[in-house]
Amino acid sequence: EDQVTQSPEALRLQEGESSSLNCSYTVSGLRGLFWYRQDPGKGPEFLFTLYSAGEEKEKERLKATLTKKESFLHITAPKPEDSATYLCAVQGSDSWGKFQFGAGTQVVVTP
Amino acid sequence: NAGVTQTPKFQVLKTGQSMTLQCAQDMNHNSMYWYRQDPGMGLRLIYYSASEGTTDKGEVPNGYNVSRLNKREFSLRLESAAPSQTSVYFCASSEAGQGDNEQFFGPGTRLTVL
Repeated sequence: EDQVTQSPEALRLQEGESSSLNCSYTVSGLRGLFWYRQDPGKGPEFLFTLYSAGEEKEKERLKATLTKKESFLHITAPKPEDSATYLCAVQGSDSWGKFQFGAGTQVVVTP
Repeated sequence: NAGVTQTPKFQVLKTGQSMTLQCAQDMNHNSMYWYRQDPGMGLRLIYYSASEGTTDKGEVPNGYNVSRLNKREFSLRLESAAPSQTSVYFCASSEAGQGDNEQFFGPGTRLTVL
């Protein structure tokens, strides 16, 4: 059974204070690892897909990396508008069509 | 291009009442999904439809039924609502295949069962 654990549950940062979010996963054959951003009262918004260990992707102040057991979402010099809940999900080769989500990390960036 | 739309946005039911949540997408995606989101538990898959004409159970299907009406529309029905079904429901769609198959989510339906 695919499993995803995200840590920490919540993170409070000062504007400009860089940090990393962790997504640990167990999956039988990784088809893809996905990062989403979710603002309060809205649906998740896609950020990145990572397919294989060593892969990295960047978007503005966000950078996602992938190893065989975990993924990190690095937030560099965050701004208050980066405040959101960040969700990680995996899709395994044995569970086509089924995405297993983690519980998310709630990030608050204060000025 | 509206993406994924859901109706209604909010709903309050009494225990035992039935209702259908509607979802439509205009991106010509093959796959559609229904999730529920509860505090501290993340998104849990209720049902999904890999393509028009097919549906499969997800992690938490009990108490729900689905219909893939056509390629655009995927509805979720609660036949006899229970307080445990109080949650936020999200519909999503994706283009299945070998490429990026990220999901696109609707704005959600907030359901309260009294």
